Amino acid sequence: DAGVIQSPRHEVTEMGQEVTLRCKPISGHDYLFWYRQTMMRGLELLIYFNNNVPIDDSGMPEDRFSAKMPNASFSTLKIQPSEPRDSAVYFCASSTRRDRVHNSPLHFGNGTRLTVT
Amino acid sequence: DAKTTQPPSMDCAEGRAANLPCNHSTISGNEYVYWYRQIHSQGPQYIIHGLKNNETNEMASLIITEDRKSSTLILPHATLRDTAVYYCIVRKTSYDKVIFGPGTSLSVIP
Repeated sequence: DAGVIQSPRHEVTEMGQEVTLRCKPISGHDYLFWYRQTMMRGLELLIYFNNNVPIDDSGMPEDRFSAKMPNASFSTLKIQPSEPRDSAVYFCASSTRRDRVHNSPLHFGNGTRLTVT
Repeated sequence: DAKTTQPPSMDCAEGRAANLPCNHSTISGNEYVYWYRQIHSQGPQYIIHGLKNNETNEMASLIITEDRKSSTLILPHATLRDTAVYYCIVRKTSYDKVIFGPGTSLSVIP
């Protein structure tokens, strides 16, 4: 089990540029979550998917942010245009439903550290 | 989800037991207590969860009070590698979202 894989590990870009963060969940997991972490706001849930369908995007800060999950093994989080206040560590996590009632704990990737200058 | 309250920081001597408290006075009957930790620059890592009985695994023990209004995560022999932020979360296991609070920053001191 390779775990949740995120790329790139680090991204430095200039304000106004488009940024795309990538995530490969654990095989067989049907839930995928995107979180953002900053010193000021801690870990914030941005959006999550179930079976590739976005379920709750209420945490997405504004229209500049978009997320897609074209298949069960890949998701992207895009910021266009990027701004300095988007600088943060972005985490992807996956989980699965063990049975009718229970979800498994979340498994996190190691994150992408985004710096927008 | 019910809210939790944790001390912002704690110290523990290496080799001693680290006891991390969590208050969840508004927890409902079908909500579990989960613990995660985040070592610097890594993603959060699941540790343990429980409903009302005490639980133990290879990483830690979880003690939940009889009224379920509080719990304690115990790391029996803390090492320097246990220095991390520890998050206590309550949620229904059928509930998809996991919302993190500020957690407790544990420093294990040589």
